Amino acid sequence: EAGVAQSPRYKIIEKRQSVAFWCNPISGHATLYWYQQILGQGPKLLIQFQNNGVVDDSQLPKDRFSAERLKGVDSTLKIQPAKLEDSAVYLCASSLGGPGNTIYFGEGSWLTVV
Amino acid sequence: AQSVSQHNHHVILSEAASLELGCNYSYGGTVNLFWYVQYPGQHLQLLLKYFSGDPLVKGIKGFEAEFIKSKFSFNLRKPSVQWSDTAEYFCAVNARYNFNKFYFGSGTKLNVKP
Repeated sequence: EAGVAQSPRYKIIEKRQSVAFWCNPISGHATLYWYQQILGQGPKLLIQFQNNGVVDDSQLPKDRFSAERLKGVDSTLKIQPAKLEDSAVYLCASSLGGPGNTIYFGEGSWLTVV
Repeated sequence: AQSVSQHNHHVILSEAASLELGCNYSYGGTVNLFWYVQYPGQHLQLLLKYFSGDPLVKGIKGFEAEFIKSKFSFNLRKPSVQWSDTAEYFCAVNARYNFNKFYFGSGTKLNVKP
């Protein structure tokens, strides 16, 4: 079974530039999550989709971050303009969506803002 | 607000030593509990999970965890660690009837000396 795919794996940008990350979840998984993991910290949920609807985006800095999940499958997370403190690993994860289902993570997209 | 606390940020052990990593959570509803592991350079992987039934759950590679509801704890244990257990360990709480939301602790880095 294919896992959660993410791209790009690594990205270095200057502050105030924009960046976009792409995620393809496991086939059939209704729930898709974007987490931000800053070095030395645990994953922090940015946004959670159920199919193509947003379940929770309370911790998404909406002045600079946006995410969409068209057709309930792939998702894109965008940052514009980037700040130095956005340097982190952006993790995409997916689950079947039922209560208590395990979530599966992609390898992450490492962002460095200089 | 929901939270997950991992009190040990960095643990150093010699091979064959016993391991116990603490995890406490605060959430008033029904929860499922997970431990994820992140080996160097790899993505987060499921180690074990608790949904219901026997509060002592066994996972891969000889790990086990005990759910103590009265203490809101889900501590991870292994009787004898190996060098290959060097990794970062994350406790996670899933709000079972709240859109399958996952909350992660800040992680514990385990270094096992050969």
